[in-house]
Amino acid sequence: DSGVTQTPKHLITATGQRVTLRCSPRSGDLSVYWYQQSLDQGLQFLIHYYNGEERAKGNILERFSAQQFPDLHSELNLSSLELGDSALYFCASSVGSGRALTDTQYFGPGTRLTVL
Amino acid sequence: AQTVTQSQPEMSVQEAETVTLSCTYDTSESDYYLFWYKQPPSRQMILVIRQEAYKQQNATENRFSVNFQKAAKSFSLKISDSQLGDAAMYFCAYRSLSHNDMRFGAGTRLTVKP
Repeated sequence: DSGVTQTPKHLITATGQRVTLRCSPRSGDLSVYWYQQSLDQGLQFLIHYYNGEERAKGNILERFSAQQFPDLHSELNLSSLELGDSALYFCASSVGSGRALTDTQYFGPGTRLTVL
Repeated sequence: AQTVTQSQPEMSVQEAETVTLSCTYDTSESDYYLFWYKQPPSRQMILVIRQEAYKQQNATENRFSVNFQKAAKSFSLKISDSQLGDAAMYFCAYRSLSHNDMRFGAGTRLTVKP
């Protein structure tokens, strides 16, 4: 158990819908990262928040957005869902801003999203 | 952009034997971090080992060790005394000092035969 929690574990929804994925980082960690793991794209970095501020953006679609709240938990919002958005979405957390080796990212168990 | 290549989609090893998983990467940076993560059937991503590029000494964690060849941009993972619980997907990952995201390879599926 990494100490990172993600809810829900599974989510099944229809095309065009909107969902919210939630992540709670390990105690004391200030950074939250979101990744998407799909069969054809592998593991892709989406976005990074540090202490409430967006720090880096990866291959995140405009239909997707995220935020980190004052209590440091984070939410990833996916809207206008398409079949291709079906994937495993991981949240990871680290202590600092990601610039030190000790800022190793610890992953949550993931949320499996199925879009029908 | 940095890319990570794992050229072995699948590998197998006999229990108690040693196996080496390959990873190469492309970068123009001089300092960075490299990682191996394990993803068992549960899908949890578990950190196996990490290496800082400026350290020439290869990292070791119990039965897991790396062979880091900076000039060749190679970062292979050696698993000694393989156990059934080592069966998983193994991902090599690169993290830049200037960027906070990790770039992952496509993964190598390791099977351990009893």
